[in-house]
Amino acid sequence: AQSVTQLGSHVSVSEGALVLLRCNYSSSVPPYLFWYVQYPNQGLQLLLKYTTGATLVKGINGFEAEFKKSETSFHLTKPSAHMSDAAEYFCAVTGTASKLTFGTGTRLQVTL
Amino acid sequence: GAGVSQSPRYKVAKRGQDVALRCDPISGHVSLFWYQQALGQGPEFLTYFQNEAQLDKSGLPSDRFFAERPEGSVSTLKIQRTQQEDSAVYLCASSFDNSGSYGYTFGSGTRLTVV
Repeated sequence: AQSVTQLGSHVSVSEGALVLLRCNYSSSVPPYLFWYVQYPNQGLQLLLKYTTGATLVKGINGFEAEFKKSETSFHLTKPSAHMSDAAEYFCAVTGTASKLTFGTGTRLQVTL
Repeated sequence: GAGVSQSPRYKVAKRGQDVALRCDPISGHVSLFWYQQALGQGPEFLTYFQNEAQLDKSGLPSDRFFAERPEGSVSTLKIQRTQQEDSAVYLCASSFDNSGSYGYTFGSGTRLTVV
């Protein structure tokens, strides 16, 4: 079985500051890991994914995440926050049977 | 099509009414998933199709929920005798194959409100 824990339901950063959204996972098989972003009243948009290979993954809009097996983590970062980054972010894991298991989400607020 | 299309975008149902939610996945995508997202929560898995075969329905909350994908493309999620606790956003996702390695494309969802 798979599970995801996102630490911090709300994160607030200043525009231009570093964004760090935390995700820890549990999986009985080698995981595929995903970060999705959700803007109000919209579906989920894929930011980036890790399947195999390089553990540092770069995604859209300047986001990246690093898979750390020893820490069972897949934290999302962005060097400089922009107002347009304000949204809900979901970490997800898939193992057997390919279905996604999501975390509870982190709402990112960006202030001037 | 270019993306996953869901209809209707919004549905208000009276308690006890039956509803049908439609998902039109990306053409050629083998896998199709339904998720339920309650307010302020992450999406929860409902059911999974590989082509027309429903391989996993372990997430369906009760026998009032039924999903089908008869020709391996469009899928319908049906909820019978709706209850207030069914109020949520229902998301559909499709994927190129069943490995997960290509990622999953989500539709914009159907927001169901049961009054």
